[in-house]
This record gives sequence, structure tokens and C-alpha cells, in this order.
Amino acid sequence: DIQMTQSPSSLSASIGDRVTITCRASQSVAGFLNWYQQKPGTAPKLLIYSASNLQSGAPSRFSGSGSGTDFTLTISSLQPEDFATYYCQQSYSSRYTFGQGTKLEIK
Amino acid sequence: EVQLVESGGALVRPGGSLRLSCAASGFTVSMYYMTWVRQAPGKGLEWVSIIFAGGTTSYAHSVEGRFTISRDNSKNTLYLQMNSLRPEDTAVYYCARAHTVVTRPFDYWGQGTLVTVSS
Repeated sequence: DIQMTQSPSSLSASIGDRVTITCRASQSVAGFLNWYQQKPGTAPKLLIYSASNLQSGAPSRFSGSGSGTDFTLTISSLQPEDFATYYCQQSYSSRYTFGQGTKLEIK
Repeated sequence: EVQLVESGGALVRPGGSLRLSCAASGFTVSMYYMTWVRQAPGKGLEWVSIIFAGGTTSYAHSVEGRFTISRDNSKNTLYLQMNSLRPEDTAVYYCARAHTVVTRPFDYWGQGTLVTVSS
């Protein structure tokens, strides 16, 4: 199976900060990489699909980039509602896999 | 409006069985890839299974041979039959719909249903 590794696992940042989360695949997934945001007690929400496409309704401060094995999620200016856990997910293989998550906390 | 509503979660003993349901509205289940994702308490997301529009299925190694995904087109409902349950299957189970773009991201999710496997 394709393993997805996110870094860091947790991150403390302040309102207004620029934040980058990385995701590495154990083999190439081309552009089949999606990002989700999850807040405690709620279902995940799709943020970015196909590595760099912003999901309808997601704020424009979120952006994604990368291809092959290395991907990044960037939040250009952190807002209070952005403190959550973020997951990458590959859909290249018929056995989809998620990264372990990155918890973004308030500094 | 697209909605997904899971049901069927319960407390079950190790070795037992359970069937989860995911009732869909606002779209036709048979025309989309549909998936189950779970989350153990305090842990990350784990993909469980998917059924493709043509009916082909795929499973995570951790559940293959024990879980079966299916759908009832007449009821517009997705199912997950879980047999030989283990304590490590304890989790909130989410159903989700995959977007039609080629990378098939999961664009709509249910609220989740809790399965607890314990004696």
C-alpha cells in the first residue's frame, strides 16, 4: 500500500501566520492528492483536491501544490477558524490512504 | 441538497457482526464512488472500503475478508457489513461520496456512527 507521511505532526502558530504542511507519498501518486480539514467532533471537510484545486466554498487563503511524491498545503494568513487537524489522502491506488494528520494549534 | 446519514452503530462483543447503513439524498448512490472511512478514538482517519460506480469494491488490508461494502439502489443506501469484529475496529465510521473529478476526492460526508467492540 502507498504510505502517506505528513510533517509536522503538530504545529503551533499565531493568527496571521503563514503555515505550510507537507505530505510525502511512499511512491508516486501523480496529482491524486487531496487535503481535508477536521475539527473536533465533526466530519472531515474537503479543502483541496487534485493537489492544487480549491474545493468550492473553501477560503482562498488555502492553497496546495506538488506532484509525484511531495505535496504541500499552505495557509497564507491563519484565521481563528483554521485551528484544526489537516489530513492528506492519496486516491491514486484503489486502496486509498490518509496521512497521520497535522494538528494545528494556537500559539 | 446532498445529505448522507449513517446509522447502525452499536456496542458489540468481539467476534460479533454489525451492519452500518448510509442513507443518501440529493444524488444517486449508484452513479458515484462511495466509501467508508473510520476514526478510532483520538486517532487519525483510516480509509476502510470503497464501491465504484460499476460495482467493483476495494478494502483496506485491515478489514479485507471481514467487511463487505454494498449498496441498494432502490433505497439509495450504502451499507457496510462488518463480521468477526475486533476491539481495534472500535471507531466512528463515516460514509462519504467521491467527487466525479478524476482524483475522486471525498466531497460529502455523513456525521458518523460509533461502533464499539468490547466484551
